[in-house]
Amino acid sequence: EVQLVESGGGLVQPGGSLRLSCAASGFTFSDHIMDWVRQAPGKGLEWVGRGRNKAKSYTTEYAASVKDRFTISRDDSQNSLYLQMSSLKTEDTAVYYCARDVGAGGMDVWGQGTTVIVSS
Amino acid sequence: EIVMTQSPATLSVSPGERATLSCRANENINTKLAWYQQKPGQSPRLLISGASTRATGVPGRFSGSGSGTEFTLTISSLQSEDFALYYCQQYNNWWGTFGQGTKVEVK
Repeated sequence: EVQLVESGGGLVQPGGSLRLSCAASGFTFSDHIMDWVRQAPGKGLEWVGRGRNKAKSYTTEYAASVKDRFTISRDDSQNSLYLQMSSLKTEDTAVYYCARDVGAGGMDVWGQGTTVIVSS
Repeated sequence: EIVMTQSPATLSVSPGERATLSCRANENINTKLAWYQQKPGQSPRLLISGASTRATGVPGRFSGSGSGTEFTLTISSLQSEDFALYYCQQYNNWWGTFGQGTKVEVK
């Protein structure tokens, strides 16, 4: 079964850091571009960033709202994607999803999400 | 920045009726558009990619059309499980902007 499982969410103070993980199974993780998408409470979807695969030189891209604060990395040997978040703001409070990017075709597999709450 | 605008915000439809959702881009995105369905408490589900190609397992009552800046998602005969939120997303540039969503509710 193709599956993505996020973990690492929690409560963090403004200015703090948190690292999210996404464990992939059921497909060849190393072949795929992977994305992070978030959804603030009661709000719509916001694309956060993308981590490309080895074939695409492991390049990353970020939404302007998180650029220079968030870092995407991956460990193909562990079939895992990561989102390192720093200098967190209250507006970063959201459910964070990892998703498999079809590569110019949308995102066809999504995890269940992990909740990040930034509050003092 | 490519901005995606969905209309209407809420669509009230009776079961069995047709639903037509719109998505507009502020610049040409060719057919680089996806549609997603999200139900309360669930993750989004890919319905359509390439503006008109149904994803695996998506029922035939869902169809997508359009190119350039104007796109439509049509649900030909609404079933109870189709009442949900629907988002469009462009991927013409590397920043995959979403629309704000259309809620399809029971009339």
